[in-house]
Amino acid sequence: EPEVTQTPSHQVTQMGQEVILRCVPISNHLYFYWYRQILGQKVEFLVSFYNNEISEKSEIFDDQFSVERPDGSNFTLKIRSTKLEDSAMYFCASSEGLAGGSDTQYFGPGTRLTVL
Amino acid sequence: LAKTTQPISMDSYEGQEVNITCSHNNIATNDYITWYQQFPSQGPRFIIQGYKTKVTNEVASLFIPADRKSSTLSLPRVSLSDTAVYYCLVGGYTGRRALTFGSGTRLQVQP
Repeated sequence: EPEVTQTPSHQVTQMGQEVILRCVPISNHLYFYWYRQILGQKVEFLVSFYNNEISEKSEIFDDQFSVERPDGSNFTLKIRSTKLEDSAMYFCASSEGLAGGSDTQYFGPGTRLTVL
Repeated sequence: LAKTTQPISMDSYEGQEVNITCSHNNIATNDYITWYQQFPSQGPRFIIQGYKTKVTNEVASLFIPADRKSSTLSLPRVSLSDTAVYYCLVGGYTGRRALTFGSGTRLQVQP
């Protein structure tokens, strides 16, 4: 069964450093997403990406964040100048891009980001 | 987006059937109902999705009454490994695909 993969599984960084989280969406999917979940809190939407551009973004997704599809398979989230409050699980998801509400998003296993 | 209400927690025993009901009084005509399962430190896992009546797959069943203002996720014969948080999400593509997760229902299965 096809699945979304993410690397690394755990990333530790110093405050102020830049990190890049990587995802490989399911191969025939057209929409890609990033969500995050701070420990003990809800899963929060960050951004969606379609046709090489941002489709939607939340208030969380400010200038500190950027996304890119550098090649035909990877989808990345870059966080510049990390802050302590960026520590969270970051989940990538992808969907086929079906019209209507039946477009199911499939999530990856997540990257745990720890900012020290 | 339709707001959903589901119990904060539920307890069950191995081998029992578990039914988790979600209320979504403001569901719109084009909204679908989707349930996800999440284990600690893992990504949400899609369980089942439906629009009306009943949907069944190898993992669960989803019952949706005619007015669609609620839905019930049914897990047959749960095991310890079904201990997880279960999320009910309601939405349709009206230009927004962002999923809004609530707090979910924490299911604890006892031996």
